Amino acid sequence: NAGVTQTPKFQVLKTGQSMTLQCAQDMNHNSMYWYRQDPGMGLRLIYYSASEGTTDKGEVPNGYNVSRLNKREFSLRLESAAPSQTSVYFCASSESILGSYYGYTFGSGTRLTVV
Amino acid sequence: KNEVEQSPQNLTAQEGEFITINCSYSVGISALHWLQQHPGGGIVSLFMLSSGKKKHGRLIATINIQEKHSSLHITASHPRDSAVYICAVSSSNQFYFGTGTSLTVIP
Repeated sequence: NAGVTQTPKFQVLKTGQSMTLQCAQDMNHNSMYWYRQDPGMGLRLIYYSASEGTTDKGEVPNGYNVSRLNKREFSLRLESAAPSQTSVYFCASSESILGSYYGYTFGSGTRLTVV
Repeated sequence: KNEVEQSPQNLTAQEGEFITINCSYSVGISALHWLQQHPGGGIVSLFMLSSGKKKHGRLIATINIQEKHSSLHITASHPRDSAVYICAVSSSNQFYFGTGTSLTVIP
Protein backbone atom coordinates (compact mmCIF):
# COMPACT_ATOMS: atom_id res chain seq x y z
CA ASN A 1 0.00 0.00 0.00
CA ALA A 2 1.21 3.49 -0.82
CA GLY A 3 2.12 5.62 2.13
CA VAL A 4 4.72 6.48 4.70
CA THR A 5 6.52 3.67 6.49
CA GLN A 6 8.47 4.37 9.64
CA THR A 7 10.41 1.97 11.81
CA PRO A 8 10.61 0.92 14.55
CA LYS A 9 7.14 1.21 16.09
CA PHE A 10 8.43 0.98 19.65
CA GLN A 11 11.85 1.51 21.19
CA VAL A 12 13.30 1.76 24.66
CA LEU A 13 16.71 3.37 25.03
CA LYS A 14 19.00 4.02 27.93
CA THR A 15 20.19 7.56 28.49
CA GLY A 16 23.20 8.22 26.26
CA GLN A 17 22.42 5.55 23.69
CA SER A 18 22.02 6.44 20.06
CA MET A 19 19.49 5.31 17.50
CA THR A 20 18.11 6.16 14.08
CA LEU A 21 14.44 6.29 13.17
CA GLN A 22 13.84 5.33 9.57
CA CYS A 23 11.17 6.77 7.29
CA ALA A 24 10.35 5.98 3.69
CA GLN A 25 7.57 7.16 1.39
CA ASP A 26 6.55 5.76 -1.96
CA MET A 27 4.36 8.61 -3.19
CA ASN A 28 7.16 10.53 -4.90
CA HIS A 29 6.62 13.45 -2.53
CA ASN A 30 9.16 16.24 -2.47
CA SER A 31 8.81 17.22 1.18
CA MET A 32 9.34 15.12 4.28
CA TYR A 33 9.05 15.96 7.96
CA TRP A 34 9.81 14.65 11.41
CA TYR A 35 7.54 15.59 14.32
CA ARG A 36 7.32 14.74 17.95
CA GLN A 37 4.04 14.60 19.80
CA ASP A 38 3.88 15.15 23.54
CA PRO A 39 0.79 15.28 25.77
CA GLY A 40 -0.81 18.72 25.80
CA MET A 41 1.66 20.14 23.27
CA GLY A 42 0.44 18.91 19.94
CA LEU A 43 2.76 18.05 17.10
CA ARG A 44 6.04 19.94 16.95
CA LEU A 45 8.30 19.99 13.95
CA ILE A 46 11.82 18.71 14.57
CA TYR A 47 13.31 18.89 11.08
CA TYR A 48 11.99 18.98 7.57
CA SER A 49 13.30 18.45 4.09
CA ALA A 50 11.61 20.57 1.45
CA SER A 51 13.26 18.60 -1.33
CA GLU A 52 15.91 15.98 -1.89
CA GLY A 53 19.28 17.27 -0.77
CA THR A 54 17.96 19.92 1.62
CA THR A 55 17.15 19.83 5.31
CA ASP A 56 16.10 22.58 7.69
CA LYS A 57 15.52 22.92 11.39
CA GLY A 58 12.02 23.08 12.75
CA GLU A 59 10.76 24.20 16.11
CA VAL A 60 12.62 21.67 18.32
CA PRO A 61 15.80 20.45 16.55
CA ASN A 62 18.18 20.24 19.51
CA GLY A 63 19.46 16.74 20.17
CA TYR A 64 18.51 15.46 16.71
CA ASN A 65 20.08 15.11 13.30
CA VAL A 66 18.49 14.14 10.01
CA SER A 67 19.54 12.78 6.66
CA ARG A 68 17.56 12.98 3.42
CA LEU A 69 19.17 9.92 1.92
CA ASN A 70 17.24 10.16 -1.35
CA LYS A 71 13.80 11.30 -2.40
CA ARG A 72 12.14 8.35 -0.64
CA GLU A 73 13.98 8.25 2.67
CA PHE A 74 14.37 10.69 5.55
CA SER A 75 15.98 9.44 8.76
CA LEU A 76 16.09 10.97 12.24
CA ARG A 77 19.05 10.29 14.52
CA LEU A 78 19.36 10.70 18.24
CA GLU A 79 23.09 10.77 18.99
CA SER A 80 22.84 10.67 22.78
CA ALA A 81 19.31 10.00 23.97
CA ALA A 82 17.92 11.90 26.95
CA PRO A 83 14.76 11.27 28.98
CA SER A 84 13.35 14.55 27.57
CA GLN A 85 13.28 12.85 24.18
CA THR A 86 10.70 10.34 25.37
CA SER A 87 7.87 11.01 22.94
CA VAL A 88 5.93 9.70 19.99
CA TYR A 89 7.66 10.51 16.72
CA PHE A 90 5.87 10.87 13.42
CA CYS A 91 7.31 11.07 9.96
CA ALA A 92 5.21 12.73 7.25
CA SER A 93 5.49 13.62 3.61
CA SER A 94 3.73 15.93 1.20
CA GLU A 95 3.93 17.29 -2.28
CA SER A 96 4.69 20.98 -2.40
CA ILE A 97 3.69 23.12 -5.33
CA LEU A 98 4.19 26.87 -5.26
CA GLY A 99 4.08 26.98 -1.48
CA SER A 100 1.00 24.78 -1.09
CA TYR A 101 1.21 21.32 0.38
CA TYR A 102 -0.78 18.39 -0.98
CA GLY A 103 -1.24 14.78 -0.07
CA TYR A 104 -0.06 15.29 3.48
CA THR A 105 0.51 11.73 4.77
CA PHE A 106 1.74 10.52 8.14
CA GLY A 107 3.55 7.39 9.19
CA SER A 108 2.11 5.29 12.00
CA GLY A 109 4.45 6.67 14.65
CA THR A 110 7.33 5.49 16.81
CA ARG A 111 6.85 5.39 20.54
CA LEU A 112 10.25 6.07 22.10
CA THR A 113 11.02 5.79 25.78
CA VAL A 114 14.37 6.90 27.17
CA VAL A 115 15.12 5.62 30.65
CA LYS B 1 0.94 32.15 22.10
CA ASN B 2 0.06 29.30 19.78
CA GLU B 3 -0.29 30.15 16.13
CA VAL B 4 -3.24 27.72 15.96
CA GLU B 5 -5.95 27.53 18.59
CA GLN B 6 -8.66 24.91 18.68
CA SER B 7 -11.87 24.68 20.64
CA PRO B 8 -13.16 22.86 22.45
CA GLN B 9 -10.28 20.80 23.84
CA ASN B 10 -12.62 17.97 24.76
CA LEU B 11 -16.05 17.13 23.45
CA THR B 12 -18.50 14.39 24.36
CA ALA B 13 -21.54 13.85 22.17
CA GLN B 14 -24.42 11.41 21.87
CA GLU B 15 -24.55 9.28 18.75
CA GLY B 16 -26.39 11.14 16.02
CA GLU B 17 -25.55 14.63 17.22
CA PHE B 18 -24.15 17.33 14.93
CA ILE B 19 -20.63 18.25 16.01
CA THR B 20 -18.58 21.37 15.35
CA ILE B 21 -14.89 21.82 16.11
CA ASN B 22 -13.36 25.26 15.65
CA CYS B 23 -9.90 26.40 14.65
CA SER B 24 -8.47 29.92 14.66
CA TYR B 25 -5.02 30.85 13.42
CA SER B 26 -2.87 33.95 13.55
CA VAL B 27 -0.41 33.52 10.66
CA GLY B 28 -0.78 33.96 6.93
CA ILE B 29 -1.38 30.56 5.43
CA SER B 30 -1.24 28.78 2.12
CA ALA B 31 -3.59 26.06 3.33
CA LEU B 32 -5.34 24.64 6.37
CA HIS B 33 -5.45 20.93 7.15
CA TRP B 34 -7.75 18.88 9.31
CA LEU B 35 -6.20 15.67 10.65
CA GLN B 36 -7.72 12.78 12.56
CA GLN B 37 -5.79 10.74 15.11
CA HIS B 38 -7.37 7.54 16.38
CA PRO B 39 -6.60 6.01 19.78
CA GLY B 40 -4.11 3.65 18.12
CA GLY B 41 -2.05 6.73 17.28
CA GLY B 42 -2.17 6.83 13.49
CA ILE B 43 -2.81 10.23 11.89
CA VAL B 44 -4.90 10.64 8.77
CA SER B 45 -5.32 13.77 6.71
CA LEU B 46 -9.03 14.54 6.30
CA PHE B 47 -9.04 17.80 4.39
CA MET B 48 -6.80 20.43 2.92
CA LEU B 49 -8.51 23.80 2.41
CA SER B 50 -7.41 27.11 1.04
CA SER B 51 -10.90 28.60 0.61
CA GLY B 52 -14.58 27.81 0.89
CA LYS B 53 -15.90 24.45 1.89
CA LYS B 54 -15.18 20.76 1.34
CA LYS B 55 -17.36 17.73 2.07
CA HIS B 56 -16.42 14.09 2.41
CA GLY B 57 -19.17 11.78 3.56
CA ARG B 58 -20.44 13.04 6.91
CA LEU B 59 -17.53 15.45 7.33
CA ILE B 60 -17.65 19.07 6.23
CA ALA B 61 -14.81 21.56 6.55
CA THR B 62 -15.14 25.30 6.02
CA ILE B 63 -12.64 28.11 6.08
CA ASN B 64 -13.00 31.88 6.28
CA ILE B 65 -9.69 33.39 5.20
CA GLN B 66 -10.61 36.95 6.21
CA GLU B 67 -11.53 35.87 9.74
CA LYS B 68 -8.68 33.30 9.95
CA HIS B 69 -11.08 30.66 11.11
CA SER B 70 -12.06 27.15 10.11
CA SER B 71 -14.67 24.71 11.32
CA LEU B 72 -14.95 20.96 11.04
CA HIS B 73 -18.49 19.60 11.20
CA ILE B 74 -19.55 16.01 11.65
CA THR B 75 -23.15 15.19 10.84
CA ALA B 76 -24.96 12.19 12.36
CA SER B 77 -22.00 11.42 14.61
CA HIS B 78 -21.10 7.81 15.32
CA PRO B 79 -18.91 6.16 18.00
CA ARG B 80 -16.33 5.36 15.31
CA ASP B 81 -15.83 9.15 14.92
CA SER B 82 -14.25 9.15 18.38
CA ALA B 83 -10.73 10.45 17.84
CA VAL B 84 -8.56 13.50 18.27
CA TYR B 85 -9.07 16.08 15.53
CA ILE B 86 -6.12 18.31 14.81
CA CYS B 87 -6.10 21.57 12.89
CA ALA B 88 -2.86 22.49 11.13
CA VAL B 89 -1.88 25.38 8.88
CA SER B 90 0.89 25.52 6.33
CA SER B 91 2.74 28.80 6.05
CA SER B 92 5.87 29.15 3.90
CA ASN B 93 7.81 25.98 4.72
CA GLN B 94 6.33 25.58 8.17
CA PHE B 95 3.39 23.72 9.58
CA TYR B 96 1.73 24.90 12.76
CA PHE B 97 -0.51 22.56 14.71
CA GLY B 98 -3.30 23.00 17.19
CA THR B 99 -3.21 20.80 20.27
CA GLY B 100 -6.24 18.87 19.09
CA THR B 101 -9.86 18.31 20.10
CA SER B 102 -10.59 14.99 21.72
CA LEU B 103 -14.02 13.79 20.60
CA THR B 104 -15.91 10.96 22.26
CA VAL B 105 -19.21 9.87 20.74
CA ILE B 106 -21.33 7.81 23.10
CA PRO B 107 -23.73 5.18 21.71
